[in-house]
Amino acid sequence: KQEVTQIPAALSVPEGENLVLNCSFTDSAIYNLQWFRQDPGKGLTSLLLIQSSQREQTSGRLNASLDKSSGRSTLYIAASQPGDSATYLCAVRVGSARQLTFGSGTQLTVLP
Amino acid sequence: DTGVSQDPRHKITKRGQNVTFRCDPISEHNRLYWYRQTLGQGPEFLTYFQNEAQLEKSRLLSDRFSAERPKGSFSTLEIQRTEQGDSAMYLCASSPLEYNEQFFGPGTRLTVL
Repeated sequence: KQEVTQIPAALSVPEGENLVLNCSFTDSAIYNLQWFRQDPGKGLTSLLLIQSSQREQTSGRLNASLDKSSGRSTLYIAASQPGDSATYLCAVRVGSARQLTFGSGTQLTVLP
Repeated sequence: DTGVSQDPRHKITKRGQNVTFRCDPISEHNRLYWYRQTLGQGPEFLTYFQNEAQLEKSRLLSDRFSAERPKGSFSTLEIQRTEQGDSAMYLCASSPLEYNEQFFGPGTRLTVL
């Protein structure tokens, strides 16, 4: 059974700092990996999708990397802003399964 | 707005009552998913439709839960005889047939008293 772990569970940084969020998964035979942002009481906003054949994806100040062999992904946020405060979730799709398996998220607080 | 929409956004009910939620996916998205999220946890998969066919159901989906997607458009999720343990955020997502990125709606927060 695929398990997804995100460490740390919570992170607090001062504005302007670069930061890295971590995601690990137990089954390396993934189809793709998706990073999401969730604001309190809201739905999920897709940030980046990395296919299994890709090593990284970039969108603005966000960069996500994928290392299938080690079962790890990182989300790099450059020059953090208070508006980046949210919970960040990673999710993997394994093989022919249609659903995503999620981690529990990292709650990020960027202090002004 | 052409995103995924869900209705209602909030539902408070008494234990034992039935509730029904609706999800309208992004137009022309063939795949529709239901997830459940409890506080402090990531979403957990409940069920999945491709067009009108329900292709997968999680073991989390007890026989009190039923989902439909008539005509392959909107979907409904019904919970019968609600229990306090059903209190959660119910999320709907859709994706195109050709791609894998899933787009989520705002969710329906259910509170069972």
